Amino acid sequence: NAGVTQTPKFQVLKTGQSMTLQCAQDMNHNSMYWYRQDPGMGLRLIYYSASEGTTDKGEVPNGYNVSRLNKREFSLRLESAAPSQTSVYFCASQRLGNTGELFFGEGSRLTVL
Amino acid sequence: GEDVEQSLFLSVREGDSSVINCTYTDSSSTYLYWYKQEPGAGLQLLTYIFSNMDMKQDQRLTVLLNKKDKHLSLRIADTQTGDSAIYFCAPHASGGSYIPTFGRGTSLIVHP
Repeated sequence: NAGVTQTPKFQVLKTGQSMTLQCAQDMNHNSMYWYRQDPGMGLRLIYYSASEGTTDKGEVPNGYNVSRLNKREFSLRLESAAPSQTSVYFCASQRLGNTGELFFGEGSRLTVL
Repeated sequence: GEDVEQSLFLSVREGDSSVINCTYTDSSSTYLYWYKQEPGAGLQLLTYIFSNMDMKQDQRLTVLLNKKDKHLSLRIADTQTGDSAIYFCAPHASGGSYIPTFGRGTSLIVHP
C-alpha cells in the first residue's frame, strides 16, 4: 500500500520556468490537499479538492494552479516560478468520517533560482 | 479562521518528559490532532483527542485538553532521541469544513 506518492522529490528551477508537481493516492479518499512548508511558518494550505471535479483556494493560492485529474490524482502547477516559491510542498489526502486523519506524501523540495 | 499557536522549539534531556503546548481560538473544534514530522519526511498522525474528552493516554503519550482555555498539550514520557521531530497541533473546527488548521510546529530536540 503506497499511500500518497509525490513526484518529483527534488527540483531546481530558474525564475520564470514552469513545472507541475504530481500527487497520487491509492486509498480511495475523496479529499486531497496541497500545502507548502517554510521554516517557522508551519504548513500553509495552497489549494484543496473536496472531491473529484472540484477545487478550492486555500490560504496562499497566488502563483499556483491545480487539477484534480481523477479521484486518485491531484497536481499542482507553477506557471512562472518565482524565488518566493522556494519551499517544500506536501500533498495530503483525507479519510472522512472516523477521525478525518490526513495522510501526507514525503514532500517535494523545490528551489527557484 | 482558526488561529493556532505553538512555541517553535523545545529542548529536553533523554529520559525526561517533554510537554508541547498549543492554544487555539475556535471553541467549536471537534477533533484535535497531533502530527509528527521526522526529518526529511511528511507528517504522520501521532494521536488525537475528541473535544468531549479531557485526557487521552496512549503508551508514552498523554494528551490534555482544556476546552475552557482552548489549550491542548502533548506530554511524551521518557523522551528518547527517536522522538526528535517537529510536532504539529491541528484542531479541526466543525461547521462544514473538514480541513484541520495547523500550528507552526514545535521542534523537539532530545539530547543525551
